[in-house]
Amino acid sequence: GAVVSQHPSRVICKSGTSVKIECRSLDFQATTMFWYRQFPKQSLMLMATSNEGSKATYEQGVEKDKFLINHASLTLSTLTVTSAHPEDSSFYICSARYWTGDTEAFFGQGTRLTVV
Amino acid sequence: DQQVKQNSPSLSVQEGRISILNCDYTNSMFDYFLWYKKYPAEGPTFLISISSIKDKNEDGRFTVFLNKSAKHLSLHIVPSQPGDSAVYFCAASALGNQFYFGTGTSLTVIP
Repeated sequence: GAVVSQHPSRVICKSGTSVKIECRSLDFQATTMFWYRQFPKQSLMLMATSNEGSKATYEQGVEKDKFLINHASLTLSTLTVTSAHPEDSSFYICSARYWTGDTEAFFGQGTRLTVV
Repeated sequence: DQQVKQNSPSLSVQEGRISILNCDYTNSMFDYFLWYKKYPAEGPTFLISISSIKDKNEDGRFTVFLNKSAKHLSLHIVPSQPGDSAVYFCAASALGNQFYFGTGTSLTVIP
């Protein structure tokens, strides 16, 4: 099956710094990528949807200036957590689809972010 | 509004027996379903998927059953092994849109 690689798998950063998480589709071109976040003992919740070459669509309550999403190519989407705070510590996962409306999706392995 | 529900937060099963994890959903438009396994402090691992055109999909020890009329999904693991102990999430999506995840069921397989 298709492979989605997410990097880094774990990152620890200081409060106030920015962290970039990459999501790559290794063997296919992903028109649409989704970014999810999981809070402890809760479901994964969608943060935003990004389509290649256009601005990401953020879910209600997600600060677009804090969570910058860039989908510059068909194989790469990045999530940058800017001015990170301890409450941003969480598990972030990306998902990619071949094209918008395609049912099948492929998930990255996730990134555990810890802000100290 | 939780569109995907896993009503059992935990489940314990003896090694070698069958583990059955359940998932219910409310949106009849959901057409694609996933099961994920997650160990503590690690990323989720994709287990198995099923599209709404099927009612069963099997992969080794893992079988997913879909009952569309009941809006119910289940994952069967047989035989269960201690290494299967993890949190299992089900997820569903409609028409290629976002996935909605359940809150997870923690499975413990007792040696």
